Parts: sequence; C-alpha cells; structure tokens
Amino acid sequence: GQQLNQSPQSMFIQEGEDVSMNCTSSSIFNTWLWYKQDPGEGPVLLIALYKAGELTSNGRLTAQFGITRKDSFLNISASIPSDVGIYFCAGPLNAGGTSYGKLTFGQGTILTVHP
Amino acid sequence: DVKVTQSSRYLVKRTGEKVFLECVQDMDHENMFWYRQDPGLGLRLIYFSYDVKMKEKGDIPEGYSVSREKKERFSLILESASTNQTSMYLCASSLIGFGLAGTDTQYFGPGTRLTVL
Repeated sequence: GQQLNQSPQSMFIQEGEDVSMNCTSSSIFNTWLWYKQDPGEGPVLLIALYKAGELTSNGRLTAQFGITRKDSFLNISASIPSDVGIYFCAGPLNAGGTSYGKLTFGQGTILTVHP
Repeated sequence: DVKVTQSSRYLVKRTGEKVFLECVQDMDHENMFWYRQDPGLGLRLIYFSYDVKMKEKGDIPEGYSVSREKKERFSLILESASTNQTSMYLCASSLIGFGLAGTDTQYFGPGTRLTVL
C-alpha cells in the first residue's frame, strides 16, 4: 500500500539553527500536507501543497512539493523553543480515486530545540 | 476556523468498563475519523465515517466500535476497556471532495489521553 517514509525520526538542535525534514513515497501523491503536534495536543495543519514543484511558506516554515510527486520537504528557519513538537507529513490514500478522505501519515519527526 | 472538540482531555477508567469518547465538529464535514497514537507507532486509524450512520473499519478496529447518529458527532466506544487500550485518542474531520484540492485536509481535535487501570 501507500506508505510515507519520513526522516529524520528525531532531531536535537540549538535555538537559531535551521531544520530540514523530508517525506518520500514509492507512490505518487496529488496533495502533501504538513502537520505539527505540540506536546499533549492534536496535530495542527501547517502547510498544504497541491501542485508538483510548488513552494509554499508560512512564516519561518517553507515546504515544497517534489517534482516527481513522490516526495516533499519541510524547512524551518531560525528555530525557536516553541518549534518543539512532532512534525507529520501526510497525503491522501489512493490518489485520483475516492478514498473517503483517508490520509496516510509519515511516522513523524520529533524536534527538540535547546535554548 | 474549523473546530473539532473532544469530550475529555484526560480520562481514567478501569479494566472492563465501557468507555465513550465523543467528538463534535462544527464545520458540516462529511468525513470523521478516530485515530490512536502511541509512541513509535504514529497515527493509526481505528474507524472512519463518511456519512451519518455510515462507518468503515480502519487499520485497528478490534476492541472498538463507533456511532454516528448526527453529522456533527462521532463517538468511539470501547466495549470492555483493557490496559492495552491506554493511549492518546484523536478525532479528525474533513470535507468529502473526491480528491479535489483542499478537501483532503483533516482537522484534528485536541485529543483524549485515556488510561485504563
């Protein structure tokens, strides 16, 4: 089935550093979603990407929809302590078909930021 | 803004109890989902519903059932709670859009952390 491989699994960085994480799949996706989950909370949508090659920013966050449609990248610039959390990539199952809105999720990247 | 609310943030139950987790969304979304989240296992889909009274099993439905009597409300039921059901439970909703851009985005509630003793 469609699986998303997210890396790295965890990151420990100093405040002020830039962060990069990515998500890859053997299947083509028409949409890529990036979520962040704060400790003890539900995931919140950060960025949605709908077109191959698309580059979208949300403040210090930038995400890209890979040209091959099989990968996506999320970058965080100048990290701050509140960036701590788990970052998930996600995409709709069965691209092009009716999936009843089901998503497949990456395993998540756990980000720790040291002040 | 889409709002998804869950009835409890924290819940402690005893083994064998029947447990109800409630989820309500206010954006008239057709699709609703229940996930559980455990360290190292990511988000796993338990059940989902694409319409009132319609339900479909997800990846790990064993030990759970669901109810959707109204469009805005989706309940997860643990018929007889067991310690291995101690977990974070997340509810989500989305529009039904047949793959149209923007309709696959799921909006999550804050989660219910369930402990079964």
